[in-house]
Amino acid sequence: DQQVKQNSPSLSVQEGRISILNCDYTNSMFDYFLWYKKYPAEGPTFLISISSIKDKNEDGRFTVFLNKSAKHLSLHIVPSQPGDSAVYFCAASARSGNTPLVFGKGTRLSVIA
Amino acid sequence: DAGVTQSPTHLIKTRGQHVTLRCSPISGHKSVSWYQQVLGQGPQFIFQYYEKEERGRGNFPDRFSARQFPNYSSELNVNALLLGDSALYLCASSSWTATYEQYFGPGTRLTVT
Repeated sequence: DQQVKQNSPSLSVQEGRISILNCDYTNSMFDYFLWYKKYPAEGPTFLISISSIKDKNEDGRFTVFLNKSAKHLSLHIVPSQPGDSAVYFCAASARSGNTPLVFGKGTRLSVIA
Repeated sequence: DAGVTQSPTHLIKTRGQHVTLRCSPISGHKSVSWYQQVLGQGPQFIFQYYEKEERGRGNFPDRFSARQFPNYSSELNVNALLLGDSALYLCASSSWTATYEQYFGPGTRLTVT
């Protein structure tokens, strides 16, 4: 039973346009969400996070939106750059229980110049 | 500051053998977690350690074991290797008060033949 789902295995976007990566979760206990970026042969790199008490968090070109009622979050990258091409993982945690991160399967983003 | 380090980078083993993977956390981080990532999947939680004690275990067989040392470094051991154990093994470190904010090392690529 997948508690964190990334239903799009891949996404292709033109340079300069917006990239939108989506993530759904099923566990109501999750209250902290993170996005990681992963290049081949490297470990996941933390990108941005959001607590369930917020519905938006912004860091430069990256913005994460959280819709708790829909159990859905999305990562927006504007403008997209070729260096953003990587696999993006959505992860969730229930902070109160010091629980481990639960990851989605990832979405491979390709930014075309 | 040095990030999370892991050794070795790559490893090739034969079915039935055992393997030991090593991890050093970010300075000041006392919690270490291990994840397994197989191709096409997100990282899956194996173990979490804090202050040399196991604080969490994922759904992995008893062939998998780990320990944490007084300097907070950690080892992951896998006995009686199976072909299905071939994966990228990731170590993540965090502070105990914020285990939901995990920082990953580059991983160890294990190939079982």
